[in-house]
Amino acid sequence: GQNIDQPTEMTATEGAIVQINCTYQTSGFNGLFWYQQHAGEAPTFLSYNVLDGLEEKGRFSSFLSRSKGYSYLLLKELQMKDSASYLCAVREGDYQLIWGAGTKLIIKP
Amino acid sequence: ETGVTQTPRHLVMGMTNKKSLKCEQHLGHNAMYWYKQSAKKPLELMFVYNFKEQTENNSVPSRFSPECPNSSHLFLHLHTLQPEDSALYLCASSQMAGEDYEQYFGPGTRLTVT
Repeated sequence: GQNIDQPTEMTATEGAIVQINCTYQTSGFNGLFWYQQHAGEAPTFLSYNVLDGLEEKGRFSSFLSRSKGYSYLLLKELQMKDSASYLCAVREGDYQLIWGAGTKLIIKP
Repeated sequence: ETGVTQTPRHLVMGMTNKKSLKCEQHLGHNAMYWYKQSAKKPLELMFVYNFKEQTENNSVPSRFSPECPNSSHLFLHLHTLQPEDSALYLCASSQMAGEDYEQYFGPGTRLTVT
């Protein structure tokens, strides 16, 4: 069946680095997305991986290993505004996006 | 401003009411989506429209009825809902469906069914 696993909640310190993991088991794979969602707001796009390896975009990087069904989002130099939920989603078929339940990240000063 | 607007932002309705949610995108996209987001659960894709044609209907109960009159507008018509339908309903758009384009989300409609 379809399954995407992420930790429910993580806590980190301002200025530090945090890695949010996502493992997936889907019947197909056509790419993996990461979105950020602040409380009470809409999700916003962060990154997309379709090939194995690391994609870097400023303070945020995303890694994919298709053979392991694994991805992570790496956030560096954490800021208080990074407190949000981080959603992992796999494009399984042509139109279907399968979403994880999200990881709530709490940043402490 | 994400370029995707939704109205109303909050809606309380009884189980016998009929109401509609509206979504409009100002991004020139060709695909639009309805999602349901319940607390601590993954986003559930409900419907996908690509160039005004419905391409996905993920076993959504018939009490939810989508309408896409053009590529910029999407509606979700609601009737005889159940309390478990209370959730945040998100609309999204992308350049096209079935491709690697990111989705842009609206702010959502918080629906409460009493």
